[in-house]
Amino acid sequence: DQQVKQNSPSLSVQEGRISILNCDYTNSMFDYFLWYKKYPAEGPTFLISISSIKDKNEDGRFTVFLNKSAKHLSLHIVPSQPGDSAVYFCAASGLYTDKLIFGTGTRLQVFP
Amino acid sequence: SQTIHQWPATLVQPVGSPLSLECTVEGTSNPNLYWYRQAAGRGLQLLFYSVGIGQISSEVPQNLSASRPQDRQFILSSKKLLLSDSGFYLCAWIETGARAEAFFGQGTRLTVV
Repeated sequence: DQQVKQNSPSLSVQEGRISILNCDYTNSMFDYFLWYKKYPAEGPTFLISISSIKDKNEDGRFTVFLNKSAKHLSLHIVPSQPGDSAVYFCAASGLYTDKLIFGTGTRLQVFP
Repeated sequence: SQTIHQWPATLVQPVGSPLSLECTVEGTSNPNLYWYRQAAGRGLQLLFYSVGIGQISSEVPQNLSASRPQDRQFILSSKKLLLSDSGFYLCAWIETGARAEAFFGQGTRLTVV
């Protein structure tokens, strides 16, 4: 039962353009969402998060949007840079659980 | 500042051998601790989590077990490894009660041969 889904396994974007990574969740008890970036053979590093009381959070080139009614969140990277090439994971947690559930990941490739 | 240590970085073990991966956290008290596995095409699968000493929650039935003998120590074990146990294992911690991000160790690449 995959409670957090990233339906696009890969995405290729030209440098300077916008990258949009999507994530869907099924558990309505999730109220805190995070995005992580991961390079091969390393642990994931935190990028940005959003609480369910908000619909947008911005940090530099990274913006996360949350649509609670659709149970959907997205990460926008503008402008995309070659160093952004990595696997991106969304994750979710809820008020009444100590679990942090991750999606399956999207591999982003930013080409010159 | 808080740091998380995970070792070893790589491990090659024969089928049927035991396993012990260790994770320790410094600079925080009573963290929530997590073990994840990244297998090909499966994303980051939550294996175990712990909210305190001796408290272990298992997420998926499997050939692995976890223990938390000390507040900042989390151990992943197996008595007899299977080929399907191969993968990249990650330990993580979150400050208890905080709506905050998880911090990850560098991971262990386990290959069962």
